[in-house]
Amino acid sequence: AQSVTQPDIHITVSEGASLELRCNYSYGATPYLFWYVQSPGQGLQLLLKYFSGDTLVQGIKGFEAEFKRSQSSFNLRKPSVHWSDAAEYFCAVGVATSYDKVIFGPGTSLSVIP
Amino acid sequence: GAVVSQHPSWVICKSGTSVKIECRSLDFQATTMFWYRQFPKQSLMLMATSNEGSKATYEQGVEKDKFLINHASLTLSTLTVTSAHPEDSSFYICSARGGQGAYRSIGANVLTFGAGSRLTVL
Repeated sequence: AQSVTQPDIHITVSEGASLELRCNYSYGATPYLFWYVQSPGQGLQLLLKYFSGDTLVQGIKGFEAEFKRSQSSFNLRKPSVHWSDAAEYFCAVGVATSYDKVIFGPGTSLSVIP
Repeated sequence: GAVVSQHPSWVICKSGTSVKIECRSLDFQATTMFWYRQFPKQSLMLMATSNEGSKATYEQGVEKDKFLINHASLTLSTLTVTSAHPEDSSFYICSARGGQGAYRSIGANVLTFGAGSRLTVL
């Protein structure tokens, strides 16, 4: 069955420091992969997506992610974190059923120290 | 860009009553909509897939008689929580994927999410 794991439940970084959020997936075929961000009490905003091609994907707000098939990973990175980046981050995999549903990981909560 | 609107954003109801949540795609036609449920500090759990003009497909463990989904038009899907109880209190989020005509604006296989609806059952 398809699944997504995010090993880190909570991460705290200092403002200006670099960030890496880990994501591993389990899926039999080439996956569609996504990273979403959710601010408290809000819906989800798409940060970036991977469908095919270049394995290093650039997203909004200075985020990037790298797809590594050999490791079944899709880690999210940002070189310098801003206080406004504090939020919940979800990695997700698109399942190629007839409806292309999306399965979410458990999420990583990011806190930023000023 | 693509926008999905949910209404209401917050609803409080008494136990035993029914509550309807609307999900609308404002600037594109959504052939498929998805309903998710999110408990505090947890991930989104897919409840059901809603296709315009046909019955919804429910995930395992989701009571279809409890959570009624109707996708009557290409821009509107509704989730009705029937005979709500306190354990139904949660954050409900919908998402939508456009048809052929929306691909250029939102991209194939990309979902647009609503802002969510918080249900509190007293």
